[in-house]
Amino acid sequence: DQQVKQNSPSLSVQEGRISILNCDYTNSMFDYFLWYKKYPAEGPTFLISISSIKDKNEDGRFTVFLNKSAKHLSLHIVPSQPGDSAVYFCAASGYYGGSQGNLIFGKGTKLSVKP
Amino acid sequence: EPEVTQTPSHQVTQMGQEVILRCVPISNHLYFYWYRQILGQKVEFLVSFYNNEISEKSEIFDDQFSVERPDGSNFTLKIRSTKLEDSAMYFCASSEGTFNNSPLHFGNGTRLTVT
Repeated sequence: DQQVKQNSPSLSVQEGRISILNCDYTNSMFDYFLWYKKYPAEGPTFLISISSIKDKNEDGRFTVFLNKSAKHLSLHIVPSQPGDSAVYFCAASGYYGGSQGNLIFGKGTKLSVKP
Repeated sequence: EPEVTQTPSHQVTQMGQEVILRCVPISNHLYFYWYRQILGQKVEFLVSFYNNEISEKSEIFDDQFSVERPDGSNFTLKIRSTKLEDSAMYFCASSEGTFNNSPLHFGNGTRLTVT
């Protein structure tokens, strides 16, 4: 059951360039989406979120875009820095069936930013 | 910055033994969660806890699992009789409010190895 899919297991980008991480979802009841970053031996760290009533949210170098009709979201990192190298998880949730706190995670995309 | 702390960082136990994983959520947070990640798989929701009771649990969270907030600071996950398939990274998380306006903050996890 892959309600949240990150189809690219890895991505390599040159420092200073844009990193684009993609995420697709299947459940139209999802109404809140988040991106987390994870370094080895650490827990996921919250990066940025977006509600389904918006199509874009920006925070510094990070921008999340949501295309509800395509059930697709993406995270843009501009400019990419070597410290951004980590695994990025897309997560989604919605108030279906009384859900609360039940984030559905993708499998993650490992981003490598090369100097 | 306040953080969620988890102990121990690594727990090795024999099949059939009871384990207790401990977490200290961020002090002003009201919602508490346990997630787990089996090696190579997705981060999966186990349980959410609010106002001293479970608010939601997944299919994974069967009768072998229990959670408790024994005092004002700790939040524990107990597995009564561990199985080999319980081997995973267990993440505790907390949030200030419901997660659509208050993202989850994760601890660094406890790696549970069942032999």
